[in-house]
Amino acid sequence: QVQLVQSGSELKKPGASVNVSCKASGYLFTSYAMTWVRQAPGQGLEWIGWINTNTRNPTYAQGFAGRFVFSFDTSVRTAFLQITSLKAEDTAVYYCARGPAPLDYWGQGTLVTVSS
Amino acid sequence: EIVLTQSPDTLSLSPGERATLSCRASQSVGGNYLAWYQHKPGQAPRLLIYGASSRATGIPDRFSGSGSGTDFTLTISRLEPEDVAVYYCQQYGSSPRAFGQGTKVEIK
Repeated sequence: QVQLVQSGSELKKPGASVNVSCKASGYLFTSYAMTWVRQAPGQGLEWIGWINTNTRNPTYAQGFAGRFVFSFDTSVRTAFLQITSLKAEDTAVYYCARGPAPLDYWGQGTLVTVSS
Repeated sequence: EIVLTQSPDTLSLSPGERATLSCRASQSVGGNYLAWYQHKPGQAPRLLIYGASSRATGIPDRFSGSGSGTDFTLTISRLEPEDVAVYYCQQYGSSPRAFGQGTKVEIK
């Protein structure tokens, strides 16, 4: 069965970096893109963007290009979200999801807390 | 950029009642590429509807989607207690593939 398993919660200081991983199983990794979505406390779902797992071409929503970087390693069927220069407002649950859309399978979410 | 506006913000109904959720797009959604997701606290979002009206695998038939162009609707024909959640629409006909702000469904 299809599964996306994300890395555990992270507590980081402002200005630090964080890497969130998303390990896929149950399907051919390169047959589907990977999308990243976040939910800040008390807020709705926010689309960060997606990466084409064939061309490696990423697409970022406005405001996310630069500090947010998508990558993946096909040998371990794992996608990564790196966030640099963390800010308090980056505190959120980050989800990976299969596809550019519709998003039919989701990871369980990774809580990233940015606090001094 | 297409902006999705959902209404109402909150819907409070009794079990067995019909729930009607609206998603309005600022421009026509190409190919009617509109999806609905259910999101319960502490869980991952779940795909309910794609292509405006196709139910995803394993979704009960009390959930249905309709609409085209700029106006879309998610209907829950007979509300059950486990349907308490926030529901989001998402368009994927063009980039950015943003979500609506969500509609919270509560049980009276």
